[in-house]
Amino acid sequence: DADVTQTPRNRITKTGKRIMLECSQTKGHDRMYWYRQDPGLGLRLIYYSFDVKDINKGEISDGYSVSRQAQAKFSLSLESAIPNQTALYFCATRQGAGETQYFGPGTRLLVL
Amino acid sequence: AQSVTQLDSHVSVSEGTPVLLRCNYSSSYSPSLFWYVQHPNKGLQLLLKYTSAATLVKGINGFEAEFKKSETSFHLTKPSAHMSDAAEYFCVVSDRMDSSYKLIFGSGTRLLVRP
Repeated sequence: DADVTQTPRNRITKTGKRIMLECSQTKGHDRMYWYRQDPGLGLRLIYYSFDVKDINKGEISDGYSVSRQAQAKFSLSLESAIPNQTALYFCATRQGAGETQYFGPGTRLLVL
Repeated sequence: AQSVTQLDSHVSVSEGTPVLLRCNYSSSYSPSLFWYVQHPNKGLQLLLKYTSAATLVKGINGFEAEFKKSETSFHLTKPSAHMSDAAEYFCVVSDRMDSSYKLIFGSGTRLLVRP
């Protein structure tokens, strides 16, 4: 079984809709991250969390919100989706003392 | 501020020939450097990482990279390409002094392997 899972894997939605992307991990890591990937731009950080009570904005947080429901779960919400949020979204985890981030398989989102 | 430049957006090699993917970085402090690989419709997998130990780093699947501080480079190499190496490769930098440990990604290099 995968250590970092993301649901759904693919999603099509319409402009103005609220959607939630979910991430779960079984690695026991305390730190979790959300990134988006756009062609030719690599991955950019949206939000990150050090623990359930510690949420921080990344470089492109506008239009997004997150919730850390438990150490193992970190959700990303688009309150009112817009077409330029069409992208591939990745969740990642890291253990506090470690230096490697472990990525989920990604969620492909299309906003029409 | 940290940044990463991957000098080639696409690299094409023949199977069995050497692979060179170039990466230059900019970092104010002591960087950690990584190479990740993304196969089509897959997530990102760590190939190798440099974190201030040996400057020549060996990774999985025969890849290695050399940290050259004087050149601010961290190029990825493999002596002999295999068809299964076709993927997108990301060079990534992180600042060990930054407790958030944010990763800064390059724009990616797509490796094509010709039979």
